[in-house]
Amino acid sequence: DAGVTQSPTHLIKTRGQQVTLRCSPKSGHDTVSWYQQALGQGPQFIFQYYEEEERQRGNFPDRFSGHQFPNYSSELNVNALLLGDSALYLCASSLGLAGGRSPLHFGNGTRLTVT
Amino acid sequence: DAKTTQPPSMDCAEGRAANLPCNHSTISGNEYVYWYRQIHSQGPQYIIHGLKNNETNEMASLIITEDRKSSTLILPHATLRDTAVYYCIVRVALNSTLTFGKGTMLLVSP
Repeated sequence: DAGVTQSPTHLIKTRGQQVTLRCSPKSGHDTVSWYQQALGQGPQFIFQYYEEEERQRGNFPDRFSGHQFPNYSSELNVNALLLGDSALYLCASSLGLAGGRSPLHFGNGTRLTVT
Repeated sequence: DAKTTQPPSMDCAEGRAANLPCNHSTISGNEYVYWYRQIHSQGPQYIIHGLKNNETNEMASLIITEDRKSSTLILPHATLRDTAVYYCIVRVALNSTLTFGKGTMLLVSP
């Protein structure tokens, strides 16, 4: 049973560039959430996708956008990269919008470095 | 979501039980207590969650006080591989996002 998979595992970009990160949810899950984890901090919620629509969004600028595909996989796009966007980007999947009753399962993330 | 308070770090000897406390004194009746851990350079790993009753699975036990204002995660026989940051999170039943704090860094030593 495949868990949450993310690609690529590492990425180096230059300030001002754009980046796309990809996520495949755990088998049987239909909801995908994205988190940003800066060094030494806990993960911070970016947004959540369900039925191909953004359902919730954290306190992140519009430079951060996403997409969910019919097969439930998802992409995170970041435009006009800043040095401060350097972080571990985590994808988490769950079943529906069941909230407290359905655990989120995380991938191992994409380490983005902006130079 | 209710705020949680955890000690920043704890030590445990290998083979002994690790008891990680969490204070969530403002928890509401519809909020679950979740525990995750994060081993260096990996994504957070789900451990266990509960609402009112104590819970046990193959990884750990979760003890929630009767007033639900605090909880304890118990790793019955800690191993070196249990060294990680442990996050206690209170999560509203109808909200599927997680709000992470700083967690507890558990160091298991030989």
